[in-house]
Amino acid sequence: SQKIEQNSEALNIQEGKTATLTCNYTNYSPAYLQWYRQDPGRGPVFLLLIRENEKEKRKERLKVTFDTTLKQSLFHITASQPADSATYLCALDTGGFKTIFGAGTRLFVKA
Amino acid sequence: EAGVTQFPSHSVIEKGQTVTLRCDPISGHDNLYWYRRVMGKEIKFLLHFVKESKQDESGMPNNRFLAERTGGTYSTLKVQPAELEDSGVYFCASSQDPQEQYFGPGTRLTVT
Repeated sequence: SQKIEQNSEALNIQEGKTATLTCNYTNYSPAYLQWYRQDPGRGPVFLLLIRENEKEKRKERLKVTFDTTLKQSLFHITASQPADSATYLCALDTGGFKTIFGAGTRLFVKA
Repeated sequence: EAGVTQFPSHSVIEKGQTVTLRCDPISGHDNLYWYRRVMGKEIKFLLHFVKESKQDESGMPNNRFLAERTGGTYSTLKVQPAELEDSGVYFCASSQDPQEQYFGPGTRLTVT
């Protein structure tokens, strides 16, 4: 069956370090992959999108990689700050407007 | 520019009652989506409108759920009659292109 897996355990890191979150998927051939941030009590906020023919995308302190052979995306936050603490969601779209979300990984950045 | 708004923010109803959730998308966004997050699970797609037409309603759980988008502006999602397993957070999102969706704050539905 189709599945998106994100590390269900929270990630705790020290301020200033790089946070790396993983998204693995099976039985999909996504046209693109997205990363969202969600804070408690709020809706997801779009961060970055990477297409199937792209290997890497950057935006300020954020970097996303996409390996369609491994069926994996990595999401990096460099020089992390306590304000980066949130849940980060991976989402796939196979091109049909139907977005499939992972369960998310909680990130805690300690000062 | 106003974002996606949803009303109410929280609804508590008894099993068997009817609830109607409303979503106002960002002005000019043709695409409108409904999602649901049940406690401890991932956000799941319910359906997608393009203007007033249902493009994909494959995620709707059953016929107790009815979504409408009359006039292609705001949308409503009605649950009738509500069951305990319908509890969760219902999110609405809108977009002009499908690749960047703007989410509302969600409606937390509790069915007792």
